[in-house]
Amino acid sequence: QQKVQQSPESLIVPEGGMASLNCTFSDRNSQYFWWYRQHSGEGPKALMSIFSNGDKKEGRFTAHLNKASLYVSLHIKDSQPSDSALYFCAVMPNYNVLYFGSGTKLTVEP
Amino acid sequence: GPKVLQIPSHQIIDMGQMVTLNCDPVSNHLYFYWYKQILGQQMEFLVNFYNGKVMEKSKLFKDQFSVERPDGSYFTLKIQPTALEDSAVYFCASSLGTGVNYAEQFFGPGTRLTVL
Repeated sequence: QQKVQQSPESLIVPEGGMASLNCTFSDRNSQYFWWYRQHSGEGPKALMSIFSNGDKKEGRFTAHLNKASLYVSLHIKDSQPSDSALYFCAVMPNYNVLYFGSGTKLTVEP
Repeated sequence: GPKVLQIPSHQIIDMGQMVTLNCDPVSNHLYFYWYKQILGQQMEFLVNFYNGKVMEKSKLFKDQFSVERPDGSYFTLKIQPTALEDSAVYFCASSLGTGVNYAEQFFGPGTRLTVL
């Protein structure tokens, strides 16, 4: 079964700083990778997806994928207090099922 | 954006009783999912459902679990009978399809189930 591991467990960055979240997965045949964000009391919401090796940028968020290294990351530039949340990496091997990591709790301090 | 609703938000029941968790998925979505999250642990896939049938289920989807969506109404997860280890937050999700442009899953806020 797919194993997804995230690091760090928690991260504190100053407002305006860069937050870097890491994720490794176990199945080399995995095709699709997602980053979800969850605010307290809400369900997870998709931030962005990445399917090809390399970088994908959407506004302040950049995802990076290296399938050979079984690694995906998320970088948040110019972090804002509203970015404070739980971030999940999720791997979707077959378009249907999401395998989640255990999450990184991000706190952006004003 | 598209919203998935879940009813109730909290449910407390005695072990051995039956419970039904309700999900109102995004209106034009065709695929439906249940995930389970025990406090402090990662969210885990339970089951997905399409065209009236279970497509795939995990080992967490025990025989006591069942899902249905009668006549396009709520997508439900029923647990009968409940056990202590069923205490968790259950998230419902839906997606438009399964192709690369349709696979995004939209999640509800979860139902916190406590089995005493």
